[in-house]
Amino acid sequence: DAKTTQPNSMESNEEEPVHLPCNHSTISGTDYIHWYRQLPSQGPEYVIHGLTSNVNNRMASLAIAEDRKSSTLILHRATLRDAAVYYCILRDNYGQNFVFGPGTRLSVLP
Amino acid sequence: AAGVIQSPRHLIKEKRETATLKCYPIPRHDTVYWYQQGPGQDPQFLISFYEKMQSDKGSIPDRFSAQQFSDYHSELNMSSLELGDSALYFCASSPRGGNTGELFFGEGSRLTVL
Repeated sequence: DAKTTQPNSMESNEEEPVHLPCNHSTISGTDYIHWYRQLPSQGPEYVIHGLTSNVNNRMASLAIAEDRKSSTLILHRATLRDAAVYYCILRDNYGQNFVFGPGTRLSVLP
Repeated sequence: AAGVIQSPRHLIKEKRETATLKCYPIPRHDTVYWYQQGPGQDPQFLISFYEKMQSDKGSIPDRFSAQQFSDYHSELNMSSLELGDSALYFCASSPRGGNTGELFFGEGSRLTVL
């Protein structure tokens, strides 16, 4: 599986935008970029995923670099409920499992 | 909307005992995944099933086995329990063989081995 690199931790103030980076320099052409998050004492939760184009949904936006070697998850207005560990995961549609590597622990300050 | 249901939510066992965890996927989801998350660790993939057949295998110990039944629910059987098996066990389900790219996770079963 291709590997991703994320900062160990980040901090944000409430109601400000948050940009969570992910590097995946060895991404293959068939790898989708997925983001999941895990709130304390809960199971992981799907956030967003994309292949080449930027993606938006009600939770977040995903900005994918043109060379696909990096991506950024954007939370437009952080809330206290967004404090979680965020995982950037590569997976192609032929793979069966998601490999959760070290993610970014996001703290949101009131 | 119906979510992934896991039972029991909490389980306490002694060393060398056996334990069975159950997972009921979201209706019409055909793929089930099992993950183990130790204290302070990231979720580790154990095994997955698609249409009642094992589809992928991760770091599942030989003491563990799992299967998916005709109604798509899955059970994870753990034998000869060790202290290190104490963890949160998550089940996730997905439709269409997981090709939608979205896994839906349950709330987990917390196993404590004494």
